[in-house]
Amino acid sequence: DAGVIQSPRHEVTEMGQEVTLRCKPISGHNSLFWYRQTMMRGLELLIYFNNNVPIDDSGMPEDRFSAKMPNASFSTLKIQPSEPRDSAVYFCASRVGRRATYEQYFGPGTRLTVT
Amino acid sequence: AQTVTQSQPEMSVQEAETVTLSCTYDTSESDYYLFWYKQPPSRQMILVIRQEAYKQQNATENRFSVNFQKAAKSFSLKISDSQLGDAAMYFCAYRSRETSGSRLTFGEGTQLTVNP
Repeated sequence: DAGVIQSPRHEVTEMGQEVTLRCKPISGHNSLFWYRQTMMRGLELLIYFNNNVPIDDSGMPEDRFSAKMPNASFSTLKIQPSEPRDSAVYFCASRVGRRATYEQYFGPGTRLTVT
Repeated sequence: AQTVTQSQPEMSVQEAETVTLSCTYDTSESDYYLFWYKQPPSRQMILVIRQEAYKQQNATENRFSVNFQKAAKSFSLKISDSQLGDAAMYFCAYRSRETSGSRLTFGEGTQLTVNP
């Protein structure tokens, strides 16, 4: 299995531009998570999907952030408009089920730099 | 809300020696999971070891073992026979065992350096 796939691996954009991060979970996994990692705040859960439905989006920082999961094999995290403080590493993770006993498998992350 | 604290921002160890990374947490729940994740320079988050709170026996995975003290809410990671490839950022994490408890709460991380 290829694991969780994220693209792009690196993204550099100017303030005000729209940014879309992509994630392909492990086949058969029906829970998907988006995390953000910064020096100041560490690792934070942004949003969690189960069976393509957002279950917990309390970590989404503000309306500029939106996430979708149109099908079981694809999710996007969009930032519009982007700001320098959005610079971070964004991780996607997936899990086989909703039960907390199952492990989350992390993707390699997308390093976003907003200038 | 649960919190996880790693009080050691940086640690170093000589190759082949043993090092212990500390982690404490705060929760009102009685049943939960604790994890140690490793993040090498590649940034990939890799699960190192997992402990179920209802198990008294400390988890062990090859050179990695934990000292789980439930009453003290302490969960330290011991790395034996340290190798250069162990150099990474290590994160302690907590997760509720409830079906809705999917949120992983991470500590601040400990940067481990392994000296040859």
